[in-house]
Amino acid sequence: GAGVSQSPSNKVTEKGKDVELRCDPISGHTALYWYRQSLGQGLEFLIYFQGNSAPDKSGLPSDRFSAERTGGSVSTLTIQRTQQEDSAVYLCASSPGHTKMRAGANVLTFGAGSRLTVL
Amino acid sequence: SQQGEEDPQALSIQEGENATMNCSYKTSINNLQWYRQNSGRGLVHLILIRSNEREKHSGRLRVTLDTSKKSSSLLITASRAADTASYFCATGAGAGSYQLTFGKGTKLSVIP
Repeated sequence: GAGVSQSPSNKVTEKGKDVELRCDPISGHTALYWYRQSLGQGLEFLIYFQGNSAPDKSGLPSDRFSAERTGGSVSTLTIQRTQQEDSAVYLCASSPGHTKMRAGANVLTFGAGSRLTVL
Repeated sequence: SQQGEEDPQALSIQEGENATMNCSYKTSINNLQWYRQNSGRGLVHLILIRSNEREKHSGRLRVTLDTSKKSSSLLITASRAADTASYFCATGAGAGSYQLTFGKGTKLSVIP
C-alpha cells in the first residue's frame, strides 16, 4: 500500500481481555517498529523487526506483550490480560532498513496508530 | 531511557513569528532526526542531520547540530497555524542497533 496501515484505529476492551493490533507496512520495507505513546507523552520503543533477523524485543514492558511478523510483512502486536496502564496509542512504523545504514539514519514512516482503552 | 529531551515542553506563538525548539541527547550519535505529529495522527519525518553537518535547511525549517554540546535545534520561520503540532527529535540507540529513540516532544501552538 501507499502508507503504513494500522487496525483497528480504536479499541475499547475490558481489563483482563487479550487484544491484537495489526500493522501493514509499506511494501518492500524490511524494517518494522512498534512504539507506545501514552497521553501527552513521548514514544516508548517496544519492538523492532529487521528482515529475517531476530527481533529486538528490548522495549517490551512485560511478558504479556508479544509481537510477530509473518512473511516479512504484516505484524501483529498482542497484549494478553490487558491492564488499565496498557491504555495508550500504539504506533507502528516501517523503514527501508538498509542493513549497512548507520545508526539513526533509518527514516521511519508511521501509521496513524491504534488507540487502546482498557476499562 | 530516553536519549533525546526536547525543550520547551510547550510553546505558544503568534502566526508569522519564528519558533525554536531544542533537543539534547546523552550519547554520541551518527544522525539526528526531527519528526512532527499532528493531533491524533502518526509522526511525519521532517529532516535528518548527520553528525558531520552543522546546519541543514528544508523550506521554512532550519536544523542545527552541535555535537560538542550534544544538542540540536529546530527553527521554524514565519510560522503558520498549520504548524501547530508536537515536534520530536530522534536518535539512534547505538552501534549495531537500528532502534530510534524519541524524546517527549515540544508542543507548538501557533495562534492565528
